[in-house]
Amino acid sequence: EIVLTQSPGTLSLSPGERATLSCRASQSVTTNYLAWYQQKPGQRPRLLIYGASSRATGIPDRFSGSGSGTDFTLTISRLEPEDFAVYYCQQYGRSLPWTFGQGTKVEIK
Amino acid sequence: EVQLVQSGAEVKKPGATVKISCKVSGYAFSDHYIHWVQQAPGKGLEWVGLVDPEDGERRYAEKFQGRVTMTADMSTQTAHMELSGLRYEDTAVYYCATRVDYWGQGTLVTVSS
Repeated sequence: EIVLTQSPGTLSLSPGERATLSCRASQSVTTNYLAWYQQKPGQRPRLLIYGASSRATGIPDRFSGSGSGTDFTLTISRLEPEDFAVYYCQQYGRSLPWTFGQGTKVEIK
Repeated sequence: EVQLVQSGAEVKKPGATVKISCKVSGYAFSDHYIHWVQQAPGKGLEWVGLVDPEDGERRYAEKFQGRVTMTADMSTQTAHMELSGLRYEDTAVYYCATRVDYWGQGTLVTVSS
């Protein structure tokens, strides 16, 4: 099983600042099947990025994903008030067990 | 429009069994696996297992082996997850999801005496 480790656990930033979230895998993620989600309290996870770097439908271009192999990054170029939430990375594949990172909380400084 | 609509909240006693459903619309049910994900209060996301609606193949996370059963009914385009021997620590929101972009709204299962 691939273990995903996210860092930092909490990121305290102000609106307008840049956020950089890290996700490290215990082994190489097949074909970059790596996704990023945003989750707000009481809501289902919302897909932001799939395939490590492709933005999902309707996701603003201030969100970007990069990386390959075992090291992946989610960048939010300029934080908007609605971006303060918890972010999860996930590795997936058609028939593979999904695994998730433990989450990074982006909070208002 | 793809939609996954889950059944309502459940309250169960320890040791009981709960069965929750996930009705799919907007795409061919057999085209994609249905995954189930657990989220305990204030915690992260944990994969429970998957079912292939096309042939019924199932895979479960080791943590839930022996207590979980997933099924998929092609005639109603509905997936079900049954969890038996409920424990207090099973209290959580359970999500169904397909591919990575479509998730149900979640079903809260509360285990309480």
